[in-house]
Amino acid sequence: DAKTTQPTSMDCAEGRAANLPCNHSTISGNEYVYWYRQIHSQGPQYIIHGLKNNETNEMASLIITEDRKSSTLILPHATLRDTAVYYCIGSGNKFYFGSGTKLNVKP
Amino acid sequence: DAMVIQNPRYQVTQFGKPVTLSCSQTLNHNVMYWYQQKSSQAPKLLFHYYDKDFNNEADTPDNFQSRRPNTSFCFLDIRSPGLGDAAMYLCATSRGDSTDTQYFGPGTRLTVL
Repeated sequence: DAKTTQPTSMDCAEGRAANLPCNHSTISGNEYVYWYRQIHSQGPQYIIHGLKNNETNEMASLIITEDRKSSTLILPHATLRDTAVYYCIGSGNKFYFGSGTKLNVKP
Repeated sequence: DAMVIQNPRYQVTQFGKPVTLSCSQTLNHNVMYWYQQKSSQAPKLLFHYYDKDFNNEADTPDNFQSRRPNTSFCFLDIRSPGLGDAAMYLCATSRGDSTDTQYFGPGTRLTVL
């Protein structure tokens, strides 16, 4: 399973796009990139995942570089409720969480 | 709605007194996982079941055991809780295929007195 590196924390203004980077340079060819978030004292919530292609759903967009060594999660219009710890995971069938990024969305 | 349920949400036990945490799912998923999350840390995988096959992580202490009597239920047993076992315990499930998205329950917060 790929080791991931993320910034410890980031700030974002409410209504602006939040771009959260993740480095997963050791990811293998069949490992997906997953993004989860965890709001204080709750279970992690699935956001999005991808293998090679960029992905978009109702919550976010995922941009994966062509060499698959890094990715960016984009929350297009951040709200105060998006304040959470965001985890990037490079995985087959077992998740090994890194330390994640604490996103602070400010009014 | 299909979901992952953990009971109780809060559990208090005494040092050395065995405790069991439970997880149930209505997703009919093949795989069930248990994670430990200590304060200000990321979740750490303890073990998982693929159907009835138990898979322990190498660094999971022997004090932690698990049972999966059927597809829907999975239990985490802590035989002799120490103060260091105070944590949030998270259960997750997945289908067990190549795109193995995990779905997490709300967690059980364990306090050891």
